[in-house]
Amino acid sequence: NAGVMQNPRHLVRRRGQEARLRCSPMKGHSHVYWYRQLPEEGLKFMVYLQKENIIDESGMPKERFSAEFPKEGPSILRIQQVVRGDSAAYFCASSSGAVKYEQYFGPGTRLTVT
Amino acid sequence: GQQLNQSPQSMFIQEGEDVSMNCTSSSIFNTWLWYKQDPGEGPVLLIALYKAGELTSNGRLTAQFGITRKDSFLNISASIPSDVGIYFCAGRSAYSGAGSYQLTFGKGTKLSVIP
Repeated sequence: NAGVMQNPRHLVRRRGQEARLRCSPMKGHSHVYWYRQLPEEGLKFMVYLQKENIIDESGMPKERFSAEFPKEGPSILRIQQVVRGDSAAYFCASSSGAVKYEQYFGPGTRLTVT
Repeated sequence: GQQLNQSPQSMFIQEGEDVSMNCTSSSIFNTWLWYKQDPGEGPVLLIALYKAGELTSNGRLTAQFGITRKDSFLNISASIPSDVGIYFCAGRSAYSGAGSYQLTFGKGTKLSVIP
């Protein structure tokens, strides 16, 4: 299966801990996008990365959130000192360079902060 | 930020019926996409539209890019039980900055099919 992979699928953290979410793009895709979804809501854009570069982080909170897409390995979305409001489903999507708007999504990571 | 108004929020239909849902924006969009999301899963891309007036089909699904570039429609013909799920419209605003490929999503239409 060459689809977008995310892990873990479920993550429980206590307030103040760090959450690390991983995303491996679809084979042949070098563009990665992170979105957040609250219950009963649509997805909200957070950040867009290419290998080793953050292209657009306009949707990502300035504090506690960071993202990277290293030369080797998956993209990582990191949330430091989590709070209850961070509880949500986080989805990663990938696209080819040629057709960036056709973004293919992974199964998501459901983060619960207790 | 940009907002997409998607309607209806939910609908219950009999198996075999046709379904229509739409998405509108207060500003011009230059790309429209339709996704389906099953519970506990990520959205699956159904159809992508790139030109005003474009009409594209994918099996029993047909989507159109509105002439005004401010709306899009999705139709499902002869619905079956596996059509159940949440359908999202998404798009890219014409006013997004160059190099911005973020998609704006509607809040979804929850479809229930009664066998």
